[in-house]
Amino acid sequence: ETGVTQTPRHLVMGMTNKKSLKCEQHLGHNAMYWYKQSAKKPLELMFVYNFKEQTENNSVPSRFSPECPNSSHLFLHLHTLQPEDSALYLCASSLEAREGEQYFGPGTRLTVT
Amino acid sequence: AQSVTQLGSHVSVSEGALVLLRCNYSSSVPPYLFWYVQYPNQGLQLLLKYTSAATLVKGINGFEAEFKKSETSFHLTKPSAHMSDAAEYFCAVSDRDFGNEKLTFGTGTRLTIIP
Repeated sequence: ETGVTQTPRHLVMGMTNKKSLKCEQHLGHNAMYWYKQSAKKPLELMFVYNFKEQTENNSVPSRFSPECPNSSHLFLHLHTLQPEDSALYLCASSLEAREGEQYFGPGTRLTVT
Repeated sequence: AQSVTQLGSHVSVSEGALVLLRCNYSSSVPPYLFWYVQYPNQGLQLLLKYTSAATLVKGINGFEAEFKKSETSFHLTKPSAHMSDAAEYFCAVSDRDFGNEKLTFGTGTRLTIIP
């Protein structure tokens, strides 16, 4: 049990759909992250939140919209995605922002059709 | 800019044999270095980290890594492989100074254990 949960674990959506990914951490951490993991590519940092404030948007297309209502919850809202957005989306948390010791959730496997 | 290079996207070793996964880093400042492991259908889990204390770092599950500044390396080893070690392993570097505190991951090495 990593203390970071993600739902759903699998998601198939069409390019015109709107869906949301949810992440929750039970570790009392102050920072949360969204990463994209694609086959044969390094893990890509998408967004960083520190004390509910977004501190990094790593040139992510606007079809991905994060939301952090409190330090324990993080959402990723998806709309009009492209097939190349199919990937494993990982949520992570850490005590402080940008700390290398991060705790990851199991991920949401997203398939865009 | 910081970066890590993991040599070998796939490594196979026999059960009971030495595991050696290679990682070389590039960083403009003294780095913090990490090894993470990802088991099938799971997120990443921290194995061990180097944060400028002892150069030989011991982690979970019998793994250890040695920081060698002269070689800019942080290779991961385990004396005797177990079937449960089959997973993907990621090396990562973090510059904690000068406001550039980004965690950069390598492309990963998939470890297969041969019975």
